[in-house]
Amino acid sequence: SQTIHQWPATLVQPVGSPLSLECTVEGTSNPNLYWYRQAAGRGLQLLFYSVGIGQISSEVPQNLSASRPQDRQFILSSKKLLLSDSGFYLCAWTTQGSQPQHFGDGTRLSIL
Amino acid sequence: GEDVEQSLFLSVREGDSSVINCTYTDSSSTYLYWYKQEPGAGLQLLTYIFSNMDMKQDQRLTVLLNKKDKHLSLRIADTQTGDSAIYFCAETTSGTYKYIFGTGTRLKVLA
Repeated sequence: SQTIHQWPATLVQPVGSPLSLECTVEGTSNPNLYWYRQAAGRGLQLLFYSVGIGQISSEVPQNLSASRPQDRQFILSSKKLLLSDSGFYLCAWTTQGSQPQHFGDGTRLSIL
Repeated sequence: GEDVEQSLFLSVREGDSSVINCTYTDSSSTYLYWYKQEPGAGLQLLTYIFSNMDMKQDQRLTVLLNKKDKHLSLRIADTQTGDSAIYFCAETTSGTYKYIFGTGTRLKVLA
């Protein structure tokens, strides 16, 4: 069966520090991968998606970036965090096509 | 652009039925989904419906789709306190990679 892992579960970082969040999927090949951010009490904002290794589509201009170094690994990064980067970050995957997305457990990021 | 709207809150008594509503704007939507999010957790897929269907039932869950009005609903029968959560509807169109999510409806079940 397929599983998705996100880590860390929680993270507290100072303003201006770098960021690296990791997401891996097991049990499937060539998934479409997604990063979302959820602000407190709000819906999901799509940040990045990837349909293949090295292929990244950015939805929102910001100081975040994403990379897909391996087929089932998706990384969200920042060189310098802003206060506005606080939120709940969710990784999701789907098979090719319009199949349902499956989500990880999320990373709660707090910026001080 | 595409938009999905939901009411923000719903409160029901334990044992009653809950109906969570969603409207969307993209007439080419192919699949519509319902997700549940418990506090501090990711989104859990509950059910989904293809756009050529009017209804789908899965145990206590019933999904109704009115494609003409672009209206989707999720009915939870015999609502329990464990159903308290935020419920998101989402849609996607065949041939695209993006999924559009609503803002979520917070369901509170009163004992």
